[in-house]
Amino acid sequence: DAKTTQPPSMDCAEGRAANLPCNHSTISGNEYVYWYRQIHSQGPQYIIHGLKNNETNEMASLIITEDRKSSTLILPHATLRDTAVYYCIVKTGQGNLIFGKGTKLSVKP
Amino acid sequence: DAGVTQSPTHLIKTRGQQVTLRCSPKSGHDTVSWYQQALGQGPQFIFQYYEEEERQRGNFPDRFSGHQFPNYSSELNVNALLLGDSALYLCASSLPFASGSGYTFGSGTRLTVV
Repeated sequence: DAKTTQPPSMDCAEGRAANLPCNHSTISGNEYVYWYRQIHSQGPQYIIHGLKNNETNEMASLIITEDRKSSTLILPHATLRDTAVYYCIVKTGQGNLIFGKGTKLSVKP
Repeated sequence: DAGVTQSPTHLIKTRGQQVTLRCSPKSGHDTVSWYQQALGQGPQFIFQYYEEEERQRGNFPDRFSGHQFPNYSSELNVNALLLGDSALYLCASSLPFASGSGYTFGSGTRLTVV
C-alpha cells in the first residue's frame, strides 16, 4: 500500500471549512484513498473514500487531484465536535487498514 | 444495532503477567481485527481472525495471540507483559474481504503495565 504524508496538526475556527491535505505520490491505479477520524478516547470512525472522482457525503467532501498524487478532506462547517485525529489511508479495496500518525485537527471557538 | 463491544475498558497489570482482552463484533460481521495504539501514534495492526483462524498478522511477537469463537467474538491474549505493551487495544469488525470503508471499531481497552 502506498505511503501517505499528512501535517501533524492543524487549527480551524468553528463554523469555517477545515481542509486537511494528504500526499500520496506513490499511489497506484487500483488503490483507493480512505479517510478515518479518531475522536479522543474512541475508536477510529470511517468518513469517506474515493478512487478518482471527487466524493461527498453527509460528513465531508473528498477532493482528489487529477494525477491522484494528493487529496484534501473538507469539513464544510467545522464544529467543536470535529476536533479529532484524521487519518488518510491509501490501499487496495481489500486488505487491512494501515494507519500513519494522522493530522490532529483542533477546532477553536 | 449494537456496534463493537470491548471489555474491559481499562486494565492495570504487572510486568510479566498475562492479560486477556475481549471483543464482540458488530451484528452481521464475522471478521475481527486487533490493533495496538501507543500514546500519540496511529493504530498498529496486530492480526485478523476469520472462521476461527488467524488470517493475517502484523509485526508483533508470539507473545500476542488470539482466538475467535463460533459466535465470531474474539479474544486477544498477551503473555509476559512488558512496560512497552501499555497501550490502547482496539478491535475492529468487518465482513470478510471488506473494503476500507467496511470497518467498525470499538472504543478500545486501555492497558497499563506497571
